[in-house]
Amino acid sequence: DSGVTQTPKHLITATGQRVTLRCSPRSGDLSVYWYQQSLDQGLQFLIQYYNGEERAKGNILERFSAQQFPDLHSELNLSSLELGDSALYFCASSVAGGSKETQYFGPGTRLLVL
Amino acid sequence: QKEVEQDPGPLSVPEGAIVSLNCTYSNSAFQYFMWYRQYSRKGPELLMYTYSSGNKEDGRFTAQVDKSSKYISLFIRDSQPSDSATYLCAMGAKSGGSYIPTFGRGTSLIVHP
Repeated sequence: DSGVTQTPKHLITATGQRVTLRCSPRSGDLSVYWYQQSLDQGLQFLIQYYNGEERAKGNILERFSAQQFPDLHSELNLSSLELGDSALYFCASSVAGGSKETQYFGPGTRLLVL
Repeated sequence: QKEVEQDPGPLSVPEGAIVSLNCTYSNSAFQYFMWYRQYSRKGPELLMYTYSSGNKEDGRFTAQVDKSSKYISLFIRDSQPSDSATYLCAMGAKSGGSYIPTFGRGTSLIVHP
């Protein structure tokens, strides 16, 4: 158990809908990362937050957004969902986001868009 | 061409074998290199982390980096069925104030008794 929690574990929804994925980082970790893992693209970095502020952005679509709250939990919002958004979404956390820090991954949320 | 190339396998070996997993990369700016292990339906977990060329050993695992060839390897000695998992290489460079890794697609390893 990495100490990172993600809810829900599974999500099934329809195209065009909007969903929210939630992540609670390890106790004491200030930095949160979101990743998307699909069979054809592998593990892709989406976005990073540090202590409530956006720090880095990767291949995140405009239909997707995220935020980190004062209690350090984070939410990833996916809207106007398409079939191709079906994937595993992972949250990871680290102490401060530095280069020598380990990122601890949560168990993921499996999203299926029908 | 993807920045990080990794053969997806599957790689099937008998218990006790030495396993070699490899990745190549094209971005000369990559400064640090990692190997993650991912069991089915779980998140990735960090196995090895290195900054420099050369070898780094941790128990049955050895990570090797050759920056001149842009090639990294993970060796697993005395492989066990519990090593059966997908192994992801990752590498990164500083971008602004952040260190965001780029992952390979992962190699599926099956160690059979």
